[in-house]
Amino acid sequence: GDSVTQMEGPVTLSEEAFLTINCTYTATGYPSLFWYVQYPGEGLQLLLKATKADDKGSNKGFEATYRKETTSFHLEKGSVQVSDSAVYFCALSDPGGSYIPTFGRGTSLIVHP
Amino acid sequence: DAMVIQNPRYQVTQFGKPVTLSCSQTLNHNVMYWYQQKSSQAPKLLFHYYDKDFNNEADTPDNFQSRRPNTSFCFLDIRSPGLGDAAMYLCATSRRLGTGGSEKLFFGSGTQLSVL
Repeated sequence: GDSVTQMEGPVTLSEEAFLTINCTYTATGYPSLFWYVQYPGEGLQLLLKATKADDKGSNKGFEATYRKETTSFHLEKGSVQVSDSAVYFCALSDPGGSYIPTFGRGTSLIVHP
Repeated sequence: DAMVIQNPRYQVTQFGKPVTLSCSQTLNHNVMYWYQQKSSQAPKLLFHYYDKDFNNEADTPDNFQSRRPNTSFCFLDIRSPGLGDAAMYLCATSRRLGTGGSEKLFFGSGTQLSVL
């Protein structure tokens, strides 16, 4: 079945450091890929998405590129801020499988001033 | 703005006392989900509705029930809450695509349930 694997956290960085959170997936078809972010005490919200191979999703300085050859969708940001501290979830929606989105376990990011 | 609204934001109940959590949406999405999220864990899908069709996850305890009286509203009923049911409960919606798959999920802010 479909699955999403994320790197374990927490990821702890200083402000202005470069961020990478790894995400790989397994799917039967050609899924859409998503990154959601959850700030403390809140629900999840969509950060960015990509719907086909080589697409790059971007939002708020975050980027992720849909790599079909490596089945990956790594999240990157060139310079993190304290306000980026949150939990980040990689997810997929696979038209070839269930329409229920599949989430990774989440990666906590802690940014220190 | 169209959105997913959960009430209340915080809910305190007593051990064994039934409790109902509410979710409403103005997006006219055909799928509504209930997730349970415990601290530092991924959201765990309890069940979802695709229109009026109820879909229960295999490992969701019988203690958890749900109702969807119309497109806009969905309720989570916990018949006899235990201490282990204390968690954040997240409601989400999406639009199932005709070709399969679904668009992104829209989440409410969640209801934090405490069981005393």
